[in-house]
Amino acid sequence: DAKTTQPNSMESNEEEPVHLPCNHSTISGTDYIHWYRQLPSQGPEYVIHGLTSNVNNRMASLAIAEDRKSSTLILHRATLRDAAVYYCILMGHNDMRFGAGTRLTVKP
Amino acid sequence: EAGVAQSPRYKIIEKRQSVAFWCNPISGHATLYWYQQILGQGPKLLIQFQNNGVVDDSQLPKDRFSAERLKGVDSTLKIQPAKLEDSAVYLCASSLEFADSYNEQFFGPGTRLTVL
Repeated sequence: DAKTTQPNSMESNEEEPVHLPCNHSTISGTDYIHWYRQLPSQGPEYVIHGLTSNVNNRMASLAIAEDRKSSTLILHRATLRDAAVYYCILMGHNDMRFGAGTRLTVKP
Repeated sequence: EAGVAQSPRYKIIEKRQSVAFWCNPISGHATLYWYQQILGQGPKLLIQFQNNGVVDDSQLPKDRFSAERLKGVDSTLKIQPAKLEDSAVYLCASSLEFADSYNEQFFGPGTRLTVL
């Protein structure tokens, strides 16, 4: 019953930008958009979150559509260590439901 | 800063046996979560504690799964009796507090359970 839709997999070349899309057409006004990633054999780790405005941090940027029905996680220069499953999650009232995520492969 | 600790890292049991997992959250984190992650799927929340009280256990199969968080610090998750479909990675996570808006969760490495 995940509320987000993401492509199953994506590929990128090392040192190139990567844009990971997420659709969340049923988002409510109070839902925050969170991104986590899971490296092989590890637990998920927080990447970034936002509500309405675009956000930047040391790991990535988050671009949120004006109607908030979609968002894009941007990795500015992909490295081999960025190969992981990326989850887009809507957070409301501390309810965090993971979908299947996007498996990102980074080619050297 | 020490992260979320979990043990054991791996466990193999036969169906109908019992098993318990342990989690020690980051010091000072009030909220603790247990997730089940079946191969190829995203994590599924089983139970959420705020200090030592249960906030959400709607997806916990209560006929066989139980969890406790005594003294509001570490926690144990138990399965009794185990079924084949319980084979999964069990993840523990913690966060500073219960928040509507911003709630970065810190995950442990997980316990991989195989039920034969």
